[in-house]
Amino acid sequence: GAGVSQSPSNKVTEKGKDVELRCDPISGHTALYWYRQSLGQGLEFLIYFQGNSAPDKSGLPSDRFSAERTGGSVSTLTIQRTQQEDSAVYLCASSAHNEQFFGPGTRLTVL
Amino acid sequence: AQSVTQLDSQVPVFEEAPVELRCNYSSSVSVYLFWYVQYPNQGLQLLLKYLSGSTLVKGINGFEAEFNKSQTSFHLRKPSVHISDTAEYFCAHLIKAAGNKLTFGGGTRVLVKP
Repeated sequence: GAGVSQSPSNKVTEKGKDVELRCDPISGHTALYWYRQSLGQGLEFLIYFQGNSAPDKSGLPSDRFSAERTGGSVSTLTIQRTQQEDSAVYLCASSAHNEQFFGPGTRLTVL
Repeated sequence: AQSVTQLDSQVPVFEEAPVELRCNYSSSVSVYLFWYVQYPNQGLQLLLKYLSGSTLVKGINGFEAEFNKSQTSFHLRKPSVHISDTAEYFCAHLIKAAGNKLTFGGGTRVLVKP
């Protein structure tokens, strides 16, 4: 497809489990962003990739969160030992210039 | 630190009435501003953007916004809303010096009533 895709669309997990969220950006977009949308915190920046490197990881809330990007394309956000406060919608966006195109998000529920 | 403030968390409006959603930003550098719309259970869709040039920006679905540097505002308007405009709207500021990451306002939920 032409847009940003994310998988899974919904993920329910138990507290303490690890989860992986995937983002497929628009082909050719070199920049990729992860954001988190939660009721209490609104929309927050997590991490930014330029190519395969992450020059800005300032938004990752704890060392349980990590992300990687391979081949300048697909990115995976990993949350280890999930906590209930990690429940949120995780949004991915890709960009070629100043405009960011968002995916539909992954809704994560930690029980 | 840069910040974006959306003054109204909810705006109820009748169909075919005008609507204005207010947004103020705090940064004086690299002023790139955006409005996004989020329909239920969907991602963010760009409505319009201000990068430079004319302060009146026209976007999709009949929306427009005016950049006002002296008031540090970027209010969104539509002269006549439809039921389908019911959604949440986010104002965002792009921080060019930091990898183009977006800082979002808290969102304004618009409920269009028949």
